[in-house]
Amino acid sequence: AQSVTQLGSHVSVSEGALVLLRCNYSSSVPPYLFWYVQYPNQGLQLLLKYTTGATLVKGINGFEAEFKKSETSFHLTKPSAHMSDAAEYFCAVSYYGNNRLAFGKGNQVVVIP
Amino acid sequence: EAGVTQFPSHSVIEKGQTVTLRCDPISGHDNLYWYRRVMGKEIKFLLHFVKESKQDESGMPNNRFLAERTGGTYSTLKVQPAELEDSGVYFCASSPLSGANVLTFGAGSRLTVL
Repeated sequence: AQSVTQLGSHVSVSEGALVLLRCNYSSSVPPYLFWYVQYPNQGLQLLLKYTTGATLVKGINGFEAEFKKSETSFHLTKPSAHMSDAAEYFCAVSYYGNNRLAFGKGNQVVVIP
Repeated sequence: EAGVTQFPSHSVIEKGQTVTLRCDPISGHDNLYWYRRVMGKEIKFLLHFVKESKQDESGMPNNRFLAERTGGTYSTLKVQPAELEDSGVYFCASSPLSGANVLTFGAGSRLTVL
């Protein structure tokens, strides 16, 4: 069964500091990998995705993630946190592009002024 | 372009009552999905429609849940009778048949069963 691990349900980061959210998955076949963000009272919004090709993926709002097959990881980073980055972030995985996503538990990011 | 719309945004019902959640996907999106997030847990897949047909309903928790998509447009998810453990946020998502890797999610319907 697919599984996704996101450690630390709540993550605090200072404004201007690096944002790092970790995501590890279990898989015996190459997955498709996603990061979604949910702002208050809004739907899940796709930040970025990896399917094939370049392992460093750039997304919206200055976020990027790197697929590391050897580490089964897809960590999300942003060099400098902004107050508007306060939201919940979800890592997700699917196989064979079938859109049956398996999600991690999410990280609630709080940005401290 | 209108996004995925879900109604109601929040529903509070007593145990044993019935609730129907509705999802209007993006126009022209033949794929429609339901997901659920129980408090403190992961968002989990419930089922997948392609047009009006159930492609995969292996995530439905039990037979108290009934999903329909008559005419292949909007979908409803009925819980009857509701139990306490059904409380959570129900998300709907849609995608076109091509480019099926990217889902557009709605804001979710929060269900509270007392």
